[in-house]
Amino acid sequence: EAGVTQFPSHSVIEKGQTVTLRCDPISGHDNLYWYRRVMGKEIKFLLHFVKESKQDESGMPNNRFLAERTGGTYSTLKVQPAELEDSGVYFCASSQDVGGTQYFGPGTRLTVL
Amino acid sequence: AQSVTQLGSHVSVSEGALVLLRCNYSSSVPPYLFWYVQYPNQGLQLLLKYTSAATLVKGINGFEAEFKKSETSFHLTKPSAHMSDAAEYFCAVRETGFQKLVFGTGTRLLVSP
Repeated sequence: EAGVTQFPSHSVIEKGQTVTLRCDPISGHDNLYWYRRVMGKEIKFLLHFVKESKQDESGMPNNRFLAERTGGTYSTLKVQPAELEDSGVYFCASSQDVGGTQYFGPGTRLTVL
Repeated sequence: AQSVTQLGSHVSVSEGALVLLRCNYSSSVPPYLFWYVQYPNQGLQLLLKYTSAATLVKGINGFEAEFKKSETSFHLTKPSAHMSDAAEYFCAVRETGFQKLVFGTGTRLLVSP
């Protein structure tokens, strides 16, 4: 069974540009989560989808971040325009059930110059 | 708000020595507790989880953790370190009724020959 996959693995962009990160959850997992680790600090929750609906987006830092999950399958996280403080590793996780074990992807390392 | 404290950003042990990574949480109600590990260039992998079934939880690769309510702790141990255990370890909690994980800042385990 394939795990959670994320694309790209690395992205380097300049301040003010737009970047879109993609996450493919484990097949059959209705729950999808985004987390972020900035500057070696703790990993922080961004938001949670149940199928295509946003269940909890309390961790989204500001309106420059837009997450979507069309059709309840893969998800994208767009940052527009990117700022220096957005640099970090963005993790995606999925779980089969609400409250189930969250399985993480390898992360996307975003560097904003 | 829920928080997790991991004492020591870096822990160094010799191969064969006991591994002890500390985790304390803040919660008035016993939460769900997790330890994840991130090996170099890989994603987060679940080591073990506590879900109130038993206070001593055994995980993969010989790791175990003990939930101590009186101390609000969930320390991770392994009797004998192996070189392959070198990685970053994250303690996380999830409160009942919530889906997001709250992580500690991580502890990097260094194993010397």
